[in-house]
Amino acid sequence: NAGVMQNPRHLVRRRGQEARLRCSPMKGHSHVYWYRQLPEEGLKFMVYLQKENIIDESGMPKERFSAEFPKEGPSILRIQQVVRGDSAAYFCASSPLPIWLNTEAFFGQGTRLTVV
Amino acid sequence: DQQVKQNSPSLSVQEGRISILNCDYTNSMFDYFLWYKKYPAEGPTFLISISSIKDKNEDGRFTVFLNKSAKHLSLHIVPSQPGDSAVYFCAARMEYGNKLVFGAGTILRVKS
Repeated sequence: NAGVMQNPRHLVRRRGQEARLRCSPMKGHSHVYWYRQLPEEGLKFMVYLQKENIIDESGMPKERFSAEFPKEGPSILRIQQVVRGDSAAYFCASSPLPIWLNTEAFFGQGTRLTVV
Repeated sequence: DQQVKQNSPSLSVQEGRISILNCDYTNSMFDYFLWYKKYPAEGPTFLISISSIKDKNEDGRFTVFLNKSAKHLSLHIVPSQPGDSAVYFCAARMEYGNKLVFGAGTILRVKS
């Protein structure tokens, strides 16, 4: 049973370009979470999605960031017009049930985004 | 607004001894607490958790203690092994919450 797969592992973008980060949850998991880790900080919640629905996007910046989890295919975190401050590690996690049911969330290896 | 704080950026312990990692929180609405371990270039891996109705949970070499009145939890690793060297994150969740709030992490180095 493959774990949470994120790609690419490393992504370099110039300022103003778009970044697309992909996350394939574990088999049977329909709940996906995106977190961002800035240098020297802990992970910060961005968004929680369940198939085709955004459940909680309270951690998403108001502009340039969007996320989706379509019926078929991976979840996508999209960052438009990237700026240097977007440079971070982006982690995706998935769970079979909502985490408030005390089910474990499994994390992917992350995508390290560098904006130059 | 740091709701979960890990005040020790790093900790160095001799192999075989006890490692104690500490975590403080400010939000009394937190209901469930977790510890994650992270190696470089990998994602966090779940270690152990504790519900607010308990004060201790044990799993092999790992024990988590929760002191609700002090809003403090700690992770004990006994005996420590070199393979335990990693970054340890404390995380918290509110009842019916969808998100985990993480501390900044503590780097544990276990010397052989």
